[in-house]
Amino acid sequence: NAGVTQTPKFQVLKTGQSMTLQCAQDMNHEYMSWYRQDPGMGLRLIHYSVGAGITDQGEVPNGYNVSRSTTEDFPLRLLSAAPSQTSVYFCASNNRGRSRGYNEQFFGPGTRLTVL
Amino acid sequence: KNEVEQSPQNLTAQEGEFITINCSYSVGISALHWLQQHPGGGIVSLFMLSSGKKKHGRLIATINIQEKHSSLHITASHPRDSAVYICAVAPLTSGTYKYIFGTGTRLKVLA
Repeated sequence: NAGVTQTPKFQVLKTGQSMTLQCAQDMNHEYMSWYRQDPGMGLRLIHYSVGAGITDQGEVPNGYNVSRSTTEDFPLRLLSAAPSQTSVYFCASNNRGRSRGYNEQFFGPGTRLTVL
Repeated sequence: KNEVEQSPQNLTAQEGEFITINCSYSVGISALHWLQQHPGGGIVSLFMLSSGKKKHGRLIATINIQEKHSSLHITASHPRDSAVYICAVAPLTSGTYKYIFGTGTRLKVLA
């Protein structure tokens, strides 16, 4: 199993450009999430999905779109990049826990994005 | 005030020392997650726990649900343990799948 894969690893954009960060998992996990990590702050949830066709907003969704057409893929789209979106982006996946708990998350390697 | 607080923020230890990292949270939770972020940036799961204690090799994690507190212990620390350790909680009230993360504890173990 490749686990959770993300592409690209690095990206530089100009203000106003759009792009898609790719995320895929081969573990048949129901849940997938996108986080951003900024210096001095904890990981913050951008968007998440509890299954194919179902997405919802997290803590910091503005400026980002997601879709989940398959169980495996969960791309994150930046519609019009802004310098405030300079960050490291992580995709993660997990399955629902056996009871009310949550199973551990598996993280992708991250994408370091710079917006000039 | 953050809902998840970690202490210390930074920690330097000598090889072989016993290390403790603390996590306090202010919300009711269904589970707590300890993560390790390597210097290269990758994040791996260490433990997921909702009660008691778990052990894996030299790592031990404990949680006290009543006191809303968890600790991560590293016995016989080694330079390869140098990383950022992150605590995350799954709140009971979220109703959906949403973790809250601490800002991490940066650990450096010197040879």
